[in-house]
Amino acid sequence: QSALTQPPSASGSLGQSVTISCTGTSSDIGAYTYVSWYQRRPGRAPRLIISFVTNRPSGVPDRFSGSKSGNTASLTVSGLQAEDEGDYYCASYAGRNSWVFGGGTKLTV
Amino acid sequence: QVKLVESGGGVVQPGGSLTLSCAASGFTFNSYAMHWVRQAPGKGLEWVAFSPSSGSNRYYAESVKGRFTISRDRSKNTLFLQMNSLRPDDTAVYYCAKSGDIAAAGFESWGQGTLLTVSS
Repeated sequence: QSALTQPPSASGSLGQSVTISCTGTSSDIGAYTYVSWYQRRPGRAPRLIISFVTNRPSGVPDRFSGSKSGNTASLTVSGLQAEDEGDYYCASYAGRNSWVFGGGTKLTV
Repeated sequence: QVKLVESGGGVVQPGGSLTLSCAASGFTFNSYAMHWVRQAPGKGLEWVAFSPSSGSNRYYAESVKGRFTISRDRSKNTLFLQMNSLRPDDTAVYYCAKSGDIAAAGFESWGQGTLLTVSS
């Protein structure tokens, strides 16, 4: 499967909002509600921040939200904080017990 | 809480073999599907292999199929990735990840990763 397409970078000022897109195909994002987002800060393991397109796991601030339209998923970070800086990856189930990730977006605050 | 600790990384020559381990604790290991995911230098994350909770079947990315084998030791709560015929483009940090209650939903918890370098 081909990787999902994310912009390589995104930025915003403290308190602002930023949206990161993730484009796939009708075989992955468009076919399933199993879209997830991961935050990776330097020196730390990846952290699940959104699952099932819109669900926030316990402990994830409500500043993080997810959505999907057709073959494109989006992550919005509202009220940007300095600690939000890092790399963000989307992922989708692609059928037949396989998964595909996006190339990652470096968020600068 | 969930803890995943990978080990076994190192430097291997092209064509060589290596086995990575992931020690799991803080959850009922045999009840959850597990994955290996890697990140090559300067690249994004790439799903590598999947072991359902039953452990009866195994699934792989095309890039590693026929060369890598995922397995688990249920008595030791440990996940393995046996890697053969290694190539320079297998160089990456390898993470083990635990799925949630629905395996298709993705990667709920991650380890810190272990670095594999394939180089002569």
